[in-house]
Amino acid sequence: AQSVTQLGSHVSVSEGALVLLRCNYSSSVPPYLFWYVQYPNQGLQLLLKYTSAATLVKGINGFEAEFKKSETSFHLTKPSAHMSDAAEYFCAVSEGGTALIFGKGTTLSVSS
Amino acid sequence: GAGVSQSPSNKVTEKGKDVELRCDPISGHTALYWYRQSLGQGLEFLIYFQGNSAPDKSGLPSDRFSAERTGGSVSTLTIQRTQQEDSAVYLCASSLGGGLNEQYFGPGTRLTVT
Repeated sequence: AQSVTQLGSHVSVSEGALVLLRCNYSSSVPPYLFWYVQYPNQGLQLLLKYTSAATLVKGINGFEAEFKKSETSFHLTKPSAHMSDAAEYFCAVSEGGTALIFGKGTTLSVSS
Repeated sequence: GAGVSQSPSNKVTEKGKDVELRCDPISGHTALYWYRQSLGQGLEFLIYFQGNSAPDKSGLPSDRFSAERTGGSVSTLTIQRTQQEDSAVYLCASSLGGGLNEQYFGPGTRLTVT
């Protein structure tokens, strides 16, 4: 079965600092990978997705993620954090291109 | 345009009662998903509808949980004889055609079982 592990349930950065949220996956077939963001009291919003095209995927709000098969990773990065980036981030893998299997989530805090 | 809507936004019920949660997907979206978000378990897939195909019920945690989708649009998730461990936020999502199409999530229904 496919699974996702997010390392670090809580990450804190200063405004303007690099954001790095880690995600490792387990899959016996080429995976489809996603990052979602959830702002307080709001629904999930898709940031970006990897579907076996380019390994470096660019998403909304300046985020990007790189698929590394050798490391079974799909880490999310942003060069410069903004206060508005504070939210919970979920990595997910698609099982057969249908239901999403989510990681436990990482809460990002941004301080001024 | 209108996004995915869910009702009620909050529901408090007593242990043992049945509850119904409603999801209105985005118009024209043929795929509909239910997920559950709880503190202990994170986000879990429950059930998936795609067009007229038989639903994928592989994520339903017990036979107390069921869901239907009428006319390929509105869906209702029913939990019978609720237990305290059913307390969670129930999220609905829809997508255009399923597969790798983006899933658009609703705001969720927060269920509290007392």
